[in-house]
Amino acid sequence: EIVLTQSPGTLSLSPGERATLSCRASQSLGSSYLAWYQQKPGQAPGLLIYGVSNRAAGIPDRFSGSGSGTDFTLTISRLEPEDFAVYYCQHYEGSPLTFGGGTTVEIK
Amino acid sequence: QVQLVESGGGVVQPGRSLRLSCAASGFSFSEYAMHWVRQAPGKGLEGVAVISYDESRKDYADSVKGRFTISRDTSKSTLYLEMNSLRTEDTAVYYCAKVDWSGPTYWYFDLWGRGTLVTVSS
Repeated sequence: EIVLTQSPGTLSLSPGERATLSCRASQSLGSSYLAWYQQKPGQAPGLLIYGVSNRAAGIPDRFSGSGSGTDFTLTISRLEPEDFAVYYCQHYEGSPLTFGGGTTVEIK
Repeated sequence: QVQLVESGGGVVQPGRSLRLSCAASGFSFSEYAMHWVRQAPGKGLEGVAVISYDESRKDYADSVKGRFTISRDTSKSTLYLEMNSLRTEDTAVYYCAKVDWSGPTYWYFDLWGRGTLVTVSS
């Protein structure tokens, strides 16, 4: 099973600042099958990024994904008020699908 | 419109059973693998069960193997999760989720339902 470790657990930032979230895999994701989701309180997760760096439909370009192998990053270039939420990474290289533990981006 | 709507959650005693449903609409249900993902209160996401588009493959998390059964009814565009021998640690919001690409069983999710809460308590 591929274990995904996200850091930091919580990121305290102000609107307009840059957010950098990390997701580390316990083994290399050779096919770059990594996605990121955003979840707001009381809501289901929503797809942000797939294939490491591809934005899902309707996702603004302030969100970007990068990385390879075992280290992946989600960057939010300038935080908007609606971006304060929990973010999860997920691999889809095979069974079982696993998620990282999440990073909470909170208002400082 | 394109959506998934879960139902069937509730409060149940340990050891009892519950069946969750997920009604799909707005897309060709028979072409996509479907997953159940759960989230315990204040916790992260955990994949619970998956069924391939053609039902040839069903997989379960170790934590539910032998107790939960995933199935689908293409004629009703509905996904099910039969949960037996429920434990307090099964308490969670259960989401159904659709993979983005027809064919693969393990893929990222482009559509989630709003979830249904299952509470296992005496």
